[in-house]
Amino acid sequence: AQTVTQSQPEMSVQEAETVTLSCTYDTSESDYYLFWYKQPPSRQMILVIRQEAYKQQNATENRFSVNFQKAAKSFSLKISDSQLGDAAMYFCAYNEAGGGADGLTFGKGTHLIIQP
Amino acid sequence: EPEVTQTPSHQVTQMGQEVILRCVPISNHLYFYWYRQILGQKVEFLVSFYNNEISEKSEIFDDQFSVERPDGSNFTLKIRSTKLEDSAMYFCASTGLAGGHGETQYFGPGTRLLVL
Repeated sequence: AQTVTQSQPEMSVQEAETVTLSCTYDTSESDYYLFWYKQPPSRQMILVIRQEAYKQQNATENRFSVNFQKAAKSFSLKISDSQLGDAAMYFCAYNEAGGGADGLTFGKGTHLIIQP
Repeated sequence: EPEVTQTPSHQVTQMGQEVILRCVPISNHLYFYWYRQILGQKVEFLVSFYNNEISEKSEIFDDQFSVERPDGSNFTLKIRSTKLEDSAMYFCASTGLAGGHGETQYFGPGTRLLVL
């Protein structure tokens, strides 16, 4: 079974600084998808960024970018110019490619604190 | 922008009672999911649903759980006889057009279930 590991239960960063959240995963598949979701105090799950494993180029969305290292099975999230609204739980998630509709496998999350 | 909606936002029930959690997925989506998140823990996949039948389910989704799409818009999760350990946030998600795997899953705001 696939597993997703987030080794940082909590991270703190000063407003306007850059922070990197770590995620590693274990899979025997060669084709899959990786996601970062944000969960603010309202507890709604909001997609931050999505990466397709067969694409070598790292995904970016405005201030959010990933460092995808397929051989190392690593998928870290970099948040640049941190803002107070970025404070939330961040979950890394994995999904298989192929037919069917498997659910996402989530990590335990990283609580991101933004210091004003 | 289309969004997934869930009702109720909060539900309190007595142990042993039946509860039905409701979701309205995004209208042109084809795959539907239920997840749960016990307080302080990671989000866990329960079940996926496609073409009016269960596509995949996890070990958590035992005989006390059932899902249904009673009409063209609603997607429900029924817990037949609730237990204390069913207390959690339940998220509905949907994904669309091209297929289940790898497509971004859009989450609803969740239903917070408390079993007393």
